[in-house]
Amino acid sequence: NAGVTQTPKFQVLKTGQSMTLQCAQDMNHNSMYWYRQDPGMGLRLIYYSASEGTTDKGEVPNGYNVSRLNKREFSLRLESAAPSQTSVYFCASTRNPGQGGEKLFFGSGTQLSVL
Amino acid sequence: AQKITQTQPGMFVQEKEAVTLDCTYDTSDPSYGLFWYKQPSSGEMIFLIYQGSYDQQNATEGRYSLNFQKARKSANLVISASQLGDSAMYFCAMSQNTGGFKTIFGAGTRLFVKA
Repeated sequence: NAGVTQTPKFQVLKTGQSMTLQCAQDMNHNSMYWYRQDPGMGLRLIYYSASEGTTDKGEVPNGYNVSRLNKREFSLRLESAAPSQTSVYFCASTRNPGQGGEKLFFGSGTQLSVL
Repeated sequence: AQKITQTQPGMFVQEKEAVTLDCTYDTSDPSYGLFWYKQPSSGEMIFLIYQGSYDQQNATEGRYSLNFQKARKSANLVISASQLGDSAMYFCAMSQNTGGFKTIFGAGTRLFVKA
C-alpha cells in the first residue's frame, strides 16, 4: 500500500531552470495539496485541488503552477526556478474534506535546492 | 483570516514527564478541524490527533490528548509520559469549511526529551 508517492526525492536546479514535481496517491482521495517547508516557518500551502478538475491557490502560489492530471495525480511545476524556492516540498491528500476536515496523508517530501 | 500560532520554538522535557505544546488559532468559520502532526528528524509527517470544532469532549489518542478550549481558541497538545522517541517537531494545523477545507499549519515546536 504505497499511499502518497512523490518524485523525485532530491533535486538540484540552477536558477532559471524548470522542473515538475510529481505526486500520485492510490487511496482514491478526492483532494490533493502541495506544501513547502522552510526552516522555522512550518508548512505553507502552495496550491490545492479540492476535487478532480479543480485547482486553487494557497498561501504562497507565486512562481508555481499545478495540474490535476486525474484523480490520482497532482503535479507541481516550477517554470523558472529561483533560489527563494529552495525548500522541502510535500504533497498530501485527503479523502473527502466535507465535515470539518480530515487528516492529511503525506508523501515523503522532495528536497529541492536552487543554486 | 485563518491563522495558527505556536509560540514555543523549542521545549525541553524530562523522560517520563508530561509536556504541553501550545497552539492558538483564529478563524471566523464555525466549522473547523484542529490537528497535530509530528515530524521526526527523518522528515516524514505523522498524524497524531484530531479535534472537530463541534466535538464536546477533548480528543485523546494513547499518550496524546488535545486540550481544546474553544472560547480561548486554543488547542494545546499534551503528551503524557514522554519518551525519547517523542523528540521531534510538532505542528498544529487547522482546516475550515471556507475555501475547500484547505489545511494551514503553525510554525511548529521542537521538542527535546532528556534521558
